[in-house]
Amino acid sequence: GQQLNQSPQSMFIQEGEDVSMNCTSSSIFNTWLWYKQEPGEGPVLLIALYKAGELTSNGRLTAQFGITRKDSFLNISASIPSDVGIYFCAGQRNEKLTFGTGTRLTIIP
Amino acid sequence: GAVVSQHPSWVICKSGTSVKIECRSLDFQATTMFWYRQFPKQSLMLMATSNEGSKATYEQGVEKDKFLINHASLTLSTLTVTSAHPEDSSFYICSAREQGWGAFFGQGTRLTVV
Repeated sequence: GQQLNQSPQSMFIQEGEDVSMNCTSSSIFNTWLWYKQEPGEGPVLLIALYKAGELTSNGRLTAQFGITRKDSFLNISASIPSDVGIYFCAGQRNEKLTFGTGTRLTIIP
Repeated sequence: GAVVSQHPSWVICKSGTSVKIECRSLDFQATTMFWYRQFPKQSLMLMATSNEGSKATYEQGVEKDKFLINHASLTLSTLTVTSAHPEDSSFYICSAREQGWGAFFGQGTRLTVV
């Protein structure tokens, strides 16, 4: 099945640093979603974006829905140890989700 | 956010047996639920769309006779892996979408076939 291009694939950062990851697609989506998944768990919804150009924040997280509707980015400010995990973007069209390849975030003490 | 509960969290079964996984939306009704499969260190791949009161819609390459889906009520969908084999071992995750919100996921079921 189709997957969205998500980058970077992995990140190793120090606590307190900002994080940025993005997702691109060759096709348009009506909604962009960002999830975080921890080992052995299902993905947890972080942010949902419904309009092209929309910029939404959730605490230290900020995400934007690209104007072309083919991309989105997620920023995490002032990272903390509990931010560790795998982040997935997902594009939604007709209720179906297509997931990105994931970004594995590791925080270096 | 909405709560989706999946059961069991993990299951070990013998090759050739069948395993049923339940997915429940606890505080909302879901006419549509989705079943995903995730291999280690990979992303989620949609297997099928479960429709309340009608047949499930399977993605290309997913055997409908192998992965039986039943969506008997607005809060429950089940996935039965029939005649399981070791290659069916994987992490299975369901999701349900609450109107006006994004999709919410269950905690996943790790299936190990021995």
